[in-house]
Amino acid sequence: GAGVSQSPSNKVTEKGKDVELRCDPISGHTALYWYRQSLGQGLEFLIYFQGNSAPDKSGLPSDRFSAERTGGSVSTLTIQRTQQEDSAVYLCASSSGRGSTEAFFGQGTRLTVV
Amino acid sequence: EDKVVQSPLSLVVHEGDTVTLNCSYEVTNFRSLLWYKQEKKAPTFLFMLTSSGIEKKSGRLSSILDKKELFSILNITATQTGDSAIYLCAVSAGNNRKLIWGLGTSLAVNP
Repeated sequence: GAGVSQSPSNKVTEKGKDVELRCDPISGHTALYWYRQSLGQGLEFLIYFQGNSAPDKSGLPSDRFSAERTGGSVSTLTIQRTQQEDSAVYLCASSSGRGSTEAFFGQGTRLTVV
Repeated sequence: EDKVVQSPLSLVVHEGDTVTLNCSYEVTNFRSLLWYKQEKKAPTFLFMLTSSGIEKKSGRLSSILDKKELFSILNITATQTGDSAIYLCAVSAGNNRKLIWGLGTSLAVNP
């Protein structure tokens, strides 16, 4: 696609429910990142994919968080048993991983856990 | 541990002022340094720097990298209210070119 696409753009969920966030990176981009940003805070790294593998999962805050990427393209971030502190904007970015390392961001998913 | 530190964390100026934002880094196998502007949701790309001493310029914004002292600065001249945003610095490092982010500088430009 023309840019990084994330869905849904907004999600309100009840505490304890599972949610799935989707990221469609730019076609051909091998590197994909998930970040979380709470109100007024900086970017918090969650996980990094190179192709379908995740060489760095160090930022996942707990075992309730998981992510996968299939076909070297679409990625889903799953949060199980959501808690109110999970409320944040979840941003996805992709880069070509070759030479240029500029990352392009999607518009994010604003998650609100009530 | 790789880290990127930005300063100041926040800044309030008046229209027309010039500001300088700082980004210092300690990483293994540096590849490049990137500046982004974040106004609402998604950060938008400003500059990518790979070589020391070569200024990148776009309108009133400019940036330069010092690979010896391990820092970069982002300058904004004749600031406007539309420059109000969070400015993020990221460093690409390692064989997998992973991006390491600073916490950002929140800039507010008052009329």
